[in-house]
Amino acid sequence: AQTVTQSQPEMSVQEAETVTLSCTYDTSESDYYLFWYKQPPSRQMILVIRQEAYKQQNATENRFSVNFQKAAKSFSLKISDSQLGDAAMYFCAYRGAQKLVFGQGTRLTINP
Amino acid sequence: GAVVSQHPSRVICKSGTSVKIECRSLDFQATTMFWYRQFPKQSLMLMATSNEGSKATYEQGVEKDKFLINHASLTLSTLTVTSAHPEDSSFYICSARVWLSSRDTQYFGPGTRLTVL
Repeated sequence: AQTVTQSQPEMSVQEAETVTLSCTYDTSESDYYLFWYKQPPSRQMILVIRQEAYKQQNATENRFSVNFQKAAKSFSLKISDSQLGDAAMYFCAYRGAQKLVFGQGTRLTINP
Repeated sequence: GAVVSQHPSRVICKSGTSVKIECRSLDFQATTMFWYRQFPKQSLMLMATSNEGSKATYEQGVEKDKFLINHASLTLSTLTVTSAHPEDSSFYICSARVWLSSRDTQYFGPGTRLTVL
């Protein structure tokens, strides 16, 4: 079975600084997708960024970018120029042939 | 992105009663919907996968007779918590799978907070 591990329960960063959230996964599948979801206090899950495993180029969405290391099964999220609105729980997720599997989450705090 | 709605957003009920939660895809058709449960400060746990026109597939440990799922149309799935007890109190989130711009993506509803007294 696939597993997703987020080893940082909590992270904090100064406003306007850069922060990186870690995620590792375990799978024997060759074709899969990886996601980062954000869950603010409203608890609405919001898709931040996605990466197809077959693509070597790291995905980027404005201030959000990933470092996808397929051989190491690592998928970290970098948030640049952190803003107060970035404060939330961040979940890394994996989907292969079947269901979406979530990591335990990292709570990100932005210090003004 | 695609919009998924849930109703109600929060519900309080007495122990022993049944509660129905609706999940709708507002601007797209979803052949597959998912139901998750989230306890405080924890991750999302998949309860079941719902396919339009067929029986739901439940995850191991989830009681199918307690959590009834119906996916009657391409835009609506319902979760009914039957004979609810305080331990069923939780945050329930639905999600719909859709192809947009040649990409297979899941979008989530805003969730329903269930409190059983």
